Amino acid sequence: ETGVTQTPRHLVMGMTNKKSLKCEQHLGHNAMYWYKQSAKKPLELMFVYNFKEQTENNSVPSRFSPECPNSSHLFLHLHTLQPEDSALYLCASSQDRAGRNTIYFGEGSWLTVV
Amino acid sequence: KQEVTQIPAALSVPEGENLVLNCSFTDSAIYNLQWFRQDPGKGLTSLLLIQSSQREQTSGRLNASLDKSSGRSTLYIAASQPGDSATYLCAVLPPQGGSEKLVFGKGTKLTVNP
Repeated sequence: ETGVTQTPRHLVMGMTNKKSLKCEQHLGHNAMYWYKQSAKKPLELMFVYNFKEQTENNSVPSRFSPECPNSSHLFLHLHTLQPEDSALYLCASSQDRAGRNTIYFGEGSWLTVV
Repeated sequence: KQEVTQIPAALSVPEGENLVLNCSFTDSAIYNLQWFRQDPGKGLTSLLLIQSSQREQTSGRLNASLDKSSGRSTLYIAASQPGDSATYLCAVLPPQGGSEKLVFGKGTKLTVNP
């Protein structure tokens, strides 16, 4: 238990569906992140939120839409995805960005797009 | 552009054996290097963090070394156990940027056979 909780753990969706991934951290951290992990590829950073403000969008297609209503919660809204978007989506948090502290990861949400 | 390579991609050993996992990176200008463990279908757990000024870190049966000038790190696991079976990821943090700027390798999948 890392203190970062992701739901759902598994999601199957059609290309025309709209769904959301949720992440909650109980560590009192101020920075939260979304990463994508595809088979046989290194982890890819998608979005960065620091004190609820999005500070980075790593050239992610607009069919992925993040939302950070407060420092403890982070969402990833999904719509009109493609089969190649099937992957493990990992949420992570750290005390803040500037301190360069250890990042704590959630257990991930397995997404399959059919 | 920093690149992290982990060789081999997979390793299978009998229980009780001591083993070494390798990580190499192309740019020696790093802030720190971290080793993570990832169990199948799960998130990442930080094992060891070595600052750029350090040579090694130890935690239990794990020992990580860092040779910045040659761009190499090793993770030594003593007296391996079946519970050590997992994918081990190496990541480096560049000197600039926030905590999330980790550059990951693709990992080494370790199987320890009883």
